[in-house]
Amino acid sequence: NAGVTQTPKFRVLKTGQSMTLLCAQDMNHEYMYWYRQDPGMGLRLIHYSVGEGTTAKGEVPDGYNVSRLKKQNFLLGLESAAPSQTSVYFCASSQLAGNEQFFGPGTRLTVL
Amino acid sequence: AQSVTQPDIHITVSEGASLELRCNYSYGATPYLFWYVQSPGQGLQLLLKYFSGDTLVQGIKGFEAEFKRSQSSFNLRKPSVHWSDAAEYFCAVGGPGAYKYIFGTGTRLKVLA
Repeated sequence: NAGVTQTPKFRVLKTGQSMTLLCAQDMNHEYMYWYRQDPGMGLRLIHYSVGEGTTAKGEVPDGYNVSRLKKQNFLLGLESAAPSQTSVYFCASSQLAGNEQFFGPGTRLTVL
Repeated sequence: AQSVTQPDIHITVSEGASLELRCNYSYGATPYLFWYVQSPGQGLQLLLKYFSGDTLVQGIKGFEAEFKRSQSSFNLRKPSVHWSDAAEYFCAVGGPGAYKYIFGTGTRLKVLA
């Protein structure tokens, strides 16, 4: 039981490049989340999903897109990376709304 | 407005000393409250949670937290800190049926040997 996994662990992009972060969970959870963590700002919600085929905007959605084609996977896309998107990205999942969230190990992204 | 405030950005304690990390929240409905710990380079791990009932909740690694509705607080405590407790601690609030958490900005704990 791997829990929540994230791919890749590290990535360096040049401004304007695109990439996709993959989150996978094996707990059959309905809800999945993408956060970004920046120093002194805690975790901020980018997008979330309440079930397969659904997505919704969080607190800081601009510049990101997401898809949840399969229940176990939640993809975060950056179409045209900017230096302001340099951050650590965390994926999380939960079975019930408002309940405990399980976090992945994070992806450290640097945009030059 | 819904918010979580962790007033202490950094806290330093000596090993063996007691610890209290503060968390104040503003939430319009019944709150579900959480404390998470993040070790360097790691994801977040749940320490404890409060949904209802006994206002003193026990968590993992010897941590406990007390919910005080009148003060809108959910402070984290540990009687004797170990060097391995050095980490960043996040308080979060959600609610029944609420899809999203609100996180505090975190408190970084340093433990002196």
